[in-house]
Amino acid sequence: QQQVKQSPQSLIVQKGGISIINCAYENTAFDYFPWYQQFPGKGPALLIAIRPDVSEKKEGRFTISFNKSAKQFSLHIMDSQPGDSATYFCAASISNTGKLIFGQGTTLQVKP
Amino acid sequence: ETGVTQSPTHLIKTRGQQVTLRCSSQSGHNTVSWYQQALGQGPQFIFQYYREEENGRGNFPPRFSGLQFPNYSSELNVNALELDDSALYLCASSLSASGTLEQFFGPGTRLTVL
Repeated sequence: QQQVKQSPQSLIVQKGGISIINCAYENTAFDYFPWYQQFPGKGPALLIAIRPDVSEKKEGRFTISFNKSAKQFSLHIMDSQPGDSATYFCAASISNTGKLIFGQGTTLQVKP
Repeated sequence: ETGVTQSPTHLIKTRGQQVTLRCSSQSGHNTVSWYQQALGQGPQFIFQYYREEENGRGNFPPRFSGLQFPNYSSELNVNALELDDSALYLCASSLSASGTLEQFFGPGTRLTVL
């Protein structure tokens, strides 16, 4: 019940295309859903996060879509660029626990 | 504003040894969390420290222990190293009593156990 399942494991997109990564969770107590971007040899960097009281949040080219009833959320990267090539992790947590549960990660490659 | 820093960058130990990893939190942050990231996997929560007290622990054995100092920097200690402890160890800091919101990660320490 503590798991967060992420798909796909890897993704190849052409420059200018839309990258979509999906995550699903079981624990309805989760109330914070961040996405992290990780480049090789670096720590994860927070991209964007959402709480379940909204269905969508957009920051620049990055959008989170949240479906509370389906217990799913997704990251959309618009106008994908080669510099977006990285591993993306979704995560979930219960605010007062201080514990992030991460998905398995998606390796994104954006071809020029 | 200084980000989260970790030392050392890389470390090689042999099975049965002990290791100490260090983390300096981002300026003004009072909460530090430690994560283990095995190759090709997502980070797994080890534990969190808030104002020098452990504030939550993941599914890791007691040979994983930690400390937080008055300046909010932190140490992760692992005793009796096992081969499966080989991983990237990440420290994250945050400014929140809950310690969850907006955790900022350091670059990690790559530990190899031979």
